[in-house]
Amino acid sequence: GAGVSQSPRYKVTKRGQDVALRCDPISGHVSLYWYRQALGQGPEFLTYFNYEAQQDKSGLPNDRFSAERPEGSISTLTIQRTEQRDSAMYRCASSPYGTGLSSYEQYFGPGTRLTVT
Amino acid sequence: AQKVTQAQTEISVVEKEDVTLDCVYETRDTTYYLFWYKQPPSGELVFLIRRNSFDEQNEISGRYSWNFQKSTSSFNFTITASQVVDSAVYFCALIGTSGTYKYIFGTGTRLKVLA
Repeated sequence: GAGVSQSPRYKVTKRGQDVALRCDPISGHVSLYWYRQALGQGPEFLTYFNYEAQQDKSGLPNDRFSAERPEGSISTLTIQRTEQRDSAMYRCASSPYGTGLSSYEQYFGPGTRLTVT
Repeated sequence: AQKVTQAQTEISVVEKEDVTLDCVYETRDTTYYLFWYKQPPSGELVFLIRRNSFDEQNEISGRYSWNFQKSTSSFNFTITASQVVDSAVYFCALIGTSGTYKYIFGTGTRLKVLA
């Protein structure tokens, strides 16, 4: 079946612009995670949804970052007033499980490479 | 706090050499999961292996093998007879079971296999 998809795959934007990154999880997957991977680093957790509820947003770096998953499926990560330090690969992952020990099973999307000039 | 340390930033080997990538982790959770991922130049994350904290058996898959030692909090990865196609960044990661089941990744080890 189809895996996790993300769009756009590449986004170049000018400093100060808002961007919206989309994640389409595997059909039926309950949980959705957003991660950010800066150059030369491993991915870092941003936020997590269980269905449409945002359960953990502890990794969002500041209030310019927000995410939503209104119908418990597709999610959008929005960055307002982008800055050069926001340049990174943004990945999402989905899991068929909401809670419990099997929630380790996460499937990553290909990522969106964001460049802020 | 949970943490994964990959002290080797970059390793270069000549083709057919064996190479071991080190991974040390920290967690207070009794139950946790350890992973290795490969990130080729194309950028995707390729899943290689998952181990849970109750299974310390070493695993071998073709040229790949993993050594999990709870006593030293290490989960090392060995590639035998390396090939140029093994050139990539390799990430070790941890998922704990207290709170959100989020990945904690190390900073990665860049492996260069020279022909």
